[in-house]
Amino acid sequence: AQKVTQAQTEISVVEKEDVTLDCVYETRDTTYYLFWYKQPPSGELVFLIRRNSFDEQNEISGRYSWNFQKSTSSFNFTITASQVVDSAVYFCALSFYNQGGKLIFGQGTELSVKP
Amino acid sequence: DAMVIQNPRYQVTQFGKPVTLSCSQTLNHNVMYWYQQKSSQAPKLLFHYYDKDFNNEADTPDNFQSRRPNTSFCFLDIRSPGLGDAAMYLCATSREAGRNNEQFFGPGTRLTVL
Repeated sequence: AQKVTQAQTEISVVEKEDVTLDCVYETRDTTYYLFWYKQPPSGELVFLIRRNSFDEQNEISGRYSWNFQKSTSSFNFTITASQVVDSAVYFCALSFYNQGGKLIFGQGTELSVKP
Repeated sequence: DAMVIQNPRYQVTQFGKPVTLSCSQTLNHNVMYWYQQKSSQAPKLLFHYYDKDFNNEADTPDNFQSRRPNTSFCFLDIRSPGLGDAAMYLCATSREAGRNNEQFFGPGTRLTVL
């Protein structure tokens, strides 16, 4: 099965708190790609990061960081010092080389950052 | 700025009345995708075009059709909309299919069926 699970449906934090969004994926393929997208209330999905299955290096971009662990099939996303503008739905997604770029999305985590 | 544009942003149609949603891109990307996203759900791929090659997902209803007259434009036609087709429709593009090319999304068209 090819599947993405985001177990946290909703998370609410207060501004400046750190928050981690969990993503667990399932696949038997050895080559695959993982993504995170942000969907603010306006509706447009915004690309945040991609990772291929051969690159387990963690990445940091400003307040955002990603932890990819193949051993646990997880690709978690941490926002440090959250801000109100981070409020959005965040989707983790999976794609494969031979499926035309089709993105298999998790159900999304709605993050609410309160002032 | 290069981007993915969707028109209209909001569309209201009547049950059974055909409707067409439009997507255009200035990125000159080879691949264009249509996703359906129902309330509080993840986007679901309906079909995609790689250049002029049409690729339908196995579970996309026959009620949904698509046209890509040129590189820049792609249309989603819903022949007989039902109440269950009310959703946000997202268009996306990518330079190439597969590999690790990220997809660039438009703002979506929210379809209401009365």
